[in-house]
Order: sequence, then C-alpha cells, then structure tokens
Amino acid sequence: EAGVVQSPRYKIIEKKQPVAFWCNPISGHNTLYWYRQNLGQGPELLIRYENEEAVDDSQLPKDRFSAERLKGVDSTLKIQPAELGDSAVYLCASTHRGSSYEQYFGPGTRLTVT
Amino acid sequence: DAKTTQPTSMDCAEGRAANLPCNHSTISGNEYVYWYRQIHSQGPQYIIHGLKNNETNEMASLIITEDRKSSTLILPHATLRDTAVYYCIVRPQGGSEKLVFGKGMKLTVNP
Repeated sequence: EAGVVQSPRYKIIEKKQPVAFWCNPISGHNTLYWYRQNLGQGPELLIRYENEEAVDDSQLPKDRFSAERLKGVDSTLKIQPAELGDSAVYLCASTHRGSSYEQYFGPGTRLTVT
Repeated sequence: DAKTTQPTSMDCAEGRAANLPCNHSTISGNEYVYWYRQIHSQGPQYIIHGLKNNETNEMASLIITEDRKSSTLILPHATLRDTAVYYCIVRPQGGSEKLVFGKGMKLTVNP
C-alpha cells in the first residue's frame, strides 16, 4: 500500500513569491490534514478536511494561505505571498474516519523563504 | 497547548531497553495516550496508544499508571534506527480531531 505522497520535497523561494504544495493521501482515507512544523517544534494543524469539506481551518492564516481538496482526494496548500516566517516543513497526513486512531504522515515539504 | 510534559532528551545504549516517560496529569476520562515518533527528515509515525490498560505491539509497550497521570513507552531492545523525537499526546480516540504535538523528547540510541 502506498503511503501519503507529497511534492515537492524541498522548495526554496524568495519572499513575496507564491508557492504550492501537493498531497495525495492514502487511498480510501477521507480525512486529510495539513500541519506546519517549525524548527525544533512539533507539528501544528493548519487545516483538516473531511472529504472535500474543510471542517477545521481555525489555524490557517487566511490572508495568505489557501487550501483546496477538490473531489475529496488529493489536496493543494498555497501560500501567496510567502514571508520569511513561513520557512518550515509542511506535513500532510490522512486517516480513515472509521479507524481514526492512527494518522499517516507524508515525508513533508521543506520550504525555505529567502 | 500540549497537555503532556516530557524530558527534552534521553540517551540509551543499543540493545538495552529504552523507557520514555510522559506526564499527563490533567488527562480526562475519555482521553487516550498516544505515542508517535519522528525520525529525522520523515513525518511522524504512530507507535501505540492506550486508555488505562497496558498495551503492547510489535514496536513497543505502553505502561499507564493506575491514576492515568503518567505513562511510560518502552522500547525493549533499542536499535540505532530508534533514534528519533518521541511525542506523547493525549486525545479522544473517537473522531478525526487533530493531534496536538508538544516539543517531544529526543531519544538518541548510542552504539
């Protein structure tokens, strides 16, 4: 069984530029999460989807961040424009609602904003 | 905010048991104790979870005190590949709510 796939693995951009991250969850997983992990910290939730509906986006900085999960499968997280403080690892995770004790994480995208 | 406290770091000799402590004195009756770990440059990985009984799987054992205010994750025979940041998390089992991570504890397994 393929795990959670994320791309790109690394991204370096200049501040004020846009950037997008892509996530393909495990097949059949209807819940998808985006977390952000700053250096030396644990991951923090940005947004959670149940199928195509965003059910928890309270921690998503909506002035510059946006996300979508069309058709309830893969998802894209976008930052526009990026700021220096956005440098972090962006992690995608998925789970099946019926057995949600385990979240499966992708390898993450490491973003560096210069 | 994370509802658990863990030491910042711990060392263990390869082949020995690693005992990772966690305090969760404010845990609610419906909250489970979860352990995840994160190996360098990878996403977090689920290890084990429990409510009040001790649990064991192929990766580890989880010992929860009778008052449920603390727990210990045991890696019976630590290997170099167990070097990682270990996160102790409390949350309800049901539903798909977020995981609230703290800073975790860095375990270094030495040869």
